[in-house]
Amino acid sequence: AQSVTQLGSHVSVSEGALVLLRCNYSSSVPPYLFWYVQYPNQGLQLLLKYTSAATLVKGINGFEAEFKKSETSFHLTKPSAHMSDAAEYFCAVSRNSRGNEKLTFGTGTRLTIIP
Amino acid sequence: DAGVIQSPRHEVTEMGQEVTLRCKPISGHDYLFWYRQTMMRGLELLIYFNNNVPIDDSGMPEDRFSAKMPNASFSTLKIQPSEPRDSAVYFCASSLETGNYGYTFGSGTRLTVV
Repeated sequence: AQSVTQLGSHVSVSEGALVLLRCNYSSSVPPYLFWYVQYPNQGLQLLLKYTSAATLVKGINGFEAEFKKSETSFHLTKPSAHMSDAAEYFCAVSRNSRGNEKLTFGTGTRLTIIP
Repeated sequence: DAGVIQSPRHEVTEMGQEVTLRCKPISGHDYLFWYRQTMMRGLELLIYFNNNVPIDDSGMPEDRFSAKMPNASFSTLKIQPSEPRDSAVYFCASSLETGNYGYTFGSGTRLTVV
């Protein structure tokens, strides 16, 4: 079975500050990991994905995440927060990176940006 | 490409009524997923289809829920009879197995059962 745990259901950062959203995974097979963003009243949009090609993954909107097997983590970061980053962020795990596998999501982290 | 289209966007119904949620996947995608999002349980996979055939419906909460995919361009999720605890946002997503990952989500249907 696979699962992800997101630490912190709410995170607030000042505009221009570092964004760090935490995700730890549990998987009996090599995991494929994803971060999604959900803006109010919208569906989920893929930010980035880890598919074993590189441990540091760059995504859209300046976000990146680093896969650390020793820590079973896949934390999401952005050097400088922007007001438009306010949204809910979901970490997810799958058994492969193709489109035929179900995703298991974390409970989400709501990011608030303080002006 | 219009993306994954869900209808209606919002649905308010009375307890005991039948509710039907609709989804049109992206043309050419061969997988379709139904998820439910609630504050208490987060995002849960209800059922998914491959080439219109249900593959895994273990997430369907009870017999009141049913899903169909009569063709490659249309799927429904039906709740009968509906209950207040079914209130949630229901998302449909589609994907292409051979694609470079991954899902495209619709904007969701917000269901309120009163």
